[in-house]
Amino acid sequence: DAGVIQSPRHEVTEMGQEVTLRCKPISGHDYLFWYRQTMMRGLELLIYFNNNVPIDDSGMPEDRFSAKMPNASFSTLKIQPSEPRDSAVYFCASSSDRLANTIYFGEGSWLTVV
Amino acid sequence: RKEVEQDPGPFNVPEGATVAFNCTYSNSASQSFFWYRQDCRKEPKLLMSVYSSGNEDGRFTAQLNRASQYISLLIRDSKLSDSATYLCAVKELTGGGNKLTFGTGTQLKVEL
Repeated sequence: DAGVIQSPRHEVTEMGQEVTLRCKPISGHDYLFWYRQTMMRGLELLIYFNNNVPIDDSGMPEDRFSAKMPNASFSTLKIQPSEPRDSAVYFCASSSDRLANTIYFGEGSWLTVV
Repeated sequence: RKEVEQDPGPFNVPEGATVAFNCTYSNSASQSFFWYRQDCRKEPKLLMSVYSSGNEDGRFTAQLNRASQYISLLIRDSKLSDSATYLCAVKELTGGGNKLTFGTGTQLKVEL
């Protein structure tokens, strides 16, 4: 079975550029999560969706970040304009039950902003 | 104070040793607890859930102490392949019902 699929796996971009990260959750999962991981702050929840609707975006750091989920099989996380402090690994994850006892992570998008 | 705190380590132990990690959480209303394992440059993967009465899975034992608000993970007879970062995760019952908060992880290095 296909897991959570993220793209790109690696991206190096210049400060000020727009970055778009993409995610395809596991088919049938109705929860989708975007996490960011850095050495200093660990794994932080940015936003999560249920049935394509954003439920909690309190972790989104600022207006430069936006996330969408136009349908059950696709989500994007956009950073515009990007800054060096946005360099991190961005994980997308999905879950199939309301209790979220198991969250399945994608392999992550490694972002470097120079 | 962070919602979920862990000692970052690293814990360097010889093969065959027993090692234990603790994780404290600040929200007394937290409902569910988990341990995830993350290998270097990989995604986190669920290792085990933590039940109120404690639970065991092979060499791994997880325990919950609600009074002191911490969970623990014990690894017996550690193997080289256990080297990884162990993340604890805590679920709070929110209006949305599905928010997992992670600790920053404890790094384990098992050596020959």
